[in-house]
Amino acid sequence: EAGVAQSPRYKIIEKRQSVAFWCNPISGHATLYWYQQILGQGPKLLIQFQNNGVVDDSQLPKDRFSAERLKGVDSTLKIQPAKLEDSAVYLCASSPGLYSGNTIYFGEGSWLTVV
Amino acid sequence: TQLLEQSPQFLSIQEGENLTVYCNSSSVFSSLQWYRQEPGEGPVLLVTVVTGGEVKKLKRLTFQFGDARKDSSLHITAAQPGDTGLYLCAGAGGFKTIFGAGTRLFVKA
Repeated sequence: EAGVAQSPRYKIIEKRQSVAFWCNPISGHATLYWYQQILGQGPKLLIQFQNNGVVDDSQLPKDRFSAERLKGVDSTLKIQPAKLEDSAVYLCASSPGLYSGNTIYFGEGSWLTVV
Repeated sequence: TQLLEQSPQFLSIQEGENLTVYCNSSSVFSSLQWYRQEPGEGPVLLVTVVTGGEVKKLKRLTFQFGDARKDSSLHITAAQPGDTGLYLCAGAGGFKTIFGAGTRLFVKA
């Protein structure tokens, strides 16, 4: 079974530029998550989708971050304009159902450095 | 706001030693999960505990869920260099899963 796929793996941009990350979850998984993980910290949920609807985006900085999951499959996360403090690993993850307690399967992450 | 506190934040031990890491909260969770994350990879689930007081064993790893379902511990017996990594606990309830900041374990050969 293919895992969660993410791209690009690494990205370096200057502050105020924009960047987009792509995620393809495990086939059939209804729930998709985007997490931000700053070095030395645990993953922080940015947004959670159930199919193509948003379940939780309370910690998404909406003035600069946006995410969509068209057709309930792939998802993109965009940052515009980027700030230095956005340097982090952006983890996409998926799980089979809506309710927590299911296994969350993570991708390898997209490493962002803002200079 | 639900918070999960993990301790210690960092642990460096010799191969063969035993260790315990802790995950504490003031909130009650439906279940609690432990993940391990190796450098450059995403976290991978180790175990899910659901019932208060539950103990699960995975080879040399023993996981316990507190009676009140607010805390958990992970005990590793005879640690090996392959156990090196970031250990994350995650509390689940309703639609949400929240992660602690993790315990970074380094096992020296």
